[in-house]
Amino acid sequence: KQEVTQIPAALSVPEGENLVLNCSFTDSAIYNLQWFRQDPGKGLTSLLLIQSSQREQTSGRLNASLDKSSGRSTLYIAASQPGDSATYLCAVINNQGGKLIFGQGTELSVKP
Amino acid sequence: DAGVIQSPRHEVTEMGQEVTLRCKPISGHDYLFWYRQTMMRGLELLIYFNNNVPIDDSGMPEDRFSAKMPNASFSTLKIQPSEPRDSAVYFCASSLIAGGEQYFGPGTRLTVT
Repeated sequence: KQEVTQIPAALSVPEGENLVLNCSFTDSAIYNLQWFRQDPGKGLTSLLLIQSSQREQTSGRLNASLDKSSGRSTLYIAASQPGDSATYLCAVINNQGGKLIFGQGTELSVKP
Repeated sequence: DAGVIQSPRHEVTEMGQEVTLRCKPISGHDYLFWYRQTMMRGLELLIYFNNNVPIDDSGMPEDRFSAKMPNASFSTLKIQPSEPRDSAVYFCASSLIAGGEQYFGPGTRLTVT
């Protein structure tokens, strides 16, 4: 059974810092991995999707990497801003068309 | 496109009542997903459809839950009878292709008293 873990559960950093959020999964046979952002009381916003054949994806200040063999993904946020404060969720799809299996998220707070 | 649309945004009901949640996926998306989010269990898939056909309903908690997709632009999730433990945020999501990027609606916050 696929399990997704995110560490740390919460993170507080001063504005301007570069930071890394971690995601690990137990079954390396994934189809893709998706990172989301969730603001309090809101829905999920897709940030990046990495196909299983890819090693990384970039969007603006965000860079997500994937190492299938070790069952790990990282989300790198450069020059963090208070507006980046949110919960970041990692999710994997085990097979084509299948469901997203989510981690519990990392709650990020960026202090001005 | 307006994105995934869900209604209502908030629902408060008494135990035993029927609850119907509605979802309109992004036009042209062939896959529709219903997820539930609680503090205890996080985000979990309830059911998903491909071309209006239910593919995996293994996450549906029990017979009190049912979902339909009568056409490509509309889906419902029904709980009958509702119970306090059904209180959660219910999300609908859609994707264009198999295993593709999923786009989420704003969710319906359900409170059963």
